[in-house]
Amino acid sequence: NAGVTQTPKFQVLKTGQSMTLQCAQDMNHEYMSWYRQDPGMGLRLIHYSVGAGITDQGEVPNGYNVSRSTTEDFPLRLLSAAPSQTSVYFCASSWRGGRGELFFGEGSRLTVL
Amino acid sequence: GENVEQHPSTLSVQEGDSAVIKCTYSDSASNYFPWYKQELGKRPQLIIDIRSNVGEKKDQRIAVTLNKTAKHFSLHITETQPEDSAVYFCAASREGAQKLVFGQGTRLTINP
Repeated sequence: NAGVTQTPKFQVLKTGQSMTLQCAQDMNHEYMSWYRQDPGMGLRLIHYSVGAGITDQGEVPNGYNVSRSTTEDFPLRLLSAAPSQTSVYFCASSWRGGRGELFFGEGSRLTVL
Repeated sequence: GENVEQHPSTLSVQEGDSAVIKCTYSDSASNYFPWYKQELGKRPQLIIDIRSNVGEKKDQRIAVTLNKTAKHFSLHITETQPEDSAVYFCAASREGAQKLVFGQGTRLTINP
């Protein structure tokens, strides 16, 4: 099993550009989520999904969109990137939602100039 | 919503000594408290968790204690080793919740 796979690992954007961070898992987890990690801020939940077709907002959803068309995939979209979105992004999945072990991807480092 | 405060933000201990990291939470209905370890440049990984029906849980050199009355829980690492150097995150969630709220993280450095 590959676990949770994120792409790309690194990305540089200019302000206003759009991009999609890809996340895929092969553990058949219903729950998937996106976190951002900033120095001194811990891991903050952006969006999460409890199954195909179901998504909800986390703590810091503004500026990000998600969709969940399959159990395996949970992409995160930045429609108009801003410097404040410079961060490391982690996708995570779980068999028990927010009450079970989260399996994280390797992370995607995004820089917005 | 839930708020989790973690202290200290940095901790430096001598190899072989013990390390303690503390977290407080705001939602009295929270009852699941995991701890994650993130080595430099790596992904966070679960190291231990506790549910509110127990006050303490141990796994070899690590242990977590929970005080529901005071709404705080702690990670204890004994006989620290260089490979314990990492950032540690606490987190909390409540029954039925899909949101796991993390603390700000503690950077633990083990000095040889």
